[in-house]
Amino acid sequence: SQKIEQNSEALNIQEGKTATLTCNYTNYSPAYLQWYRQDPGRGPVFLLLIRENEKEKRKERLKVTFDTTLKQSLFHITASQPADSATYLCALGAGGYQKVTFGIGTKLQVIP
Amino acid sequence: EAQVTQNPRYLITVTGKKLTVTCSQNMNHEYMSWYRQDPGLGLRQIYYSMNVEVTDKGDVPEGYKVSRKEKRNFPLILESPSPNQTSLYFCASTDPSRTREGYTFGSGTRLTVV
Repeated sequence: SQKIEQNSEALNIQEGKTATLTCNYTNYSPAYLQWYRQDPGRGPVFLLLIRENEKEKRKERLKVTFDTTLKQSLFHITASQPADSATYLCALGAGGYQKVTFGIGTKLQVIP
Repeated sequence: EAQVTQNPRYLITVTGKKLTVTCSQNMNHEYMSWYRQDPGLGLRQIYYSMNVEVTDKGDVPEGYKVSRKEKRNFPLILESPSPNQTSLYFCASTDPSRTREGYTFGSGTRLTVV
């Protein structure tokens, strides 16, 4: 069955460092991958989308890579700030938007 | 402001009492979807709609109904709620033609069934 794995344990890093979150998947051939930020009790907020034929996407301090051979996406936040503390979700889509599957998320804590 | 509005934010109800959670979006999005989020299980899709009068089951549709009579509204109906439907529910929408955009989510509805 399809499976998406994100670090289930929280990731703690020092302010100013680069945070790297991992999203691995199995039994899936996604056409695209999305990353979302979710604060406690709030709805997820879309951050970035990367397609299967793209290796890397950037947006301000965010960078996403997508390796379809390794079946993995890495999400980087450079110069991290305490305000970046949140849970980050990856989501995979096979084609249209009818079937987007979410991972359980990784909780990031940036320590001042 | 572009947004997805869900109501109510919090709801406590008793087993078997029918309820409706409303969802409305002001972005003219064709695609709408309902998710539930449970600890350790993440977001799971309940139902989705590709357009008016077009709906289909997601991964966990049992015990839920939806309707899409207007483009902006996509209510979630629990005909006979049970305690295992206690969860945090999210409505989301997107425009499939704008392929660089992801979902816009509502603020969530925390439902407790006792």
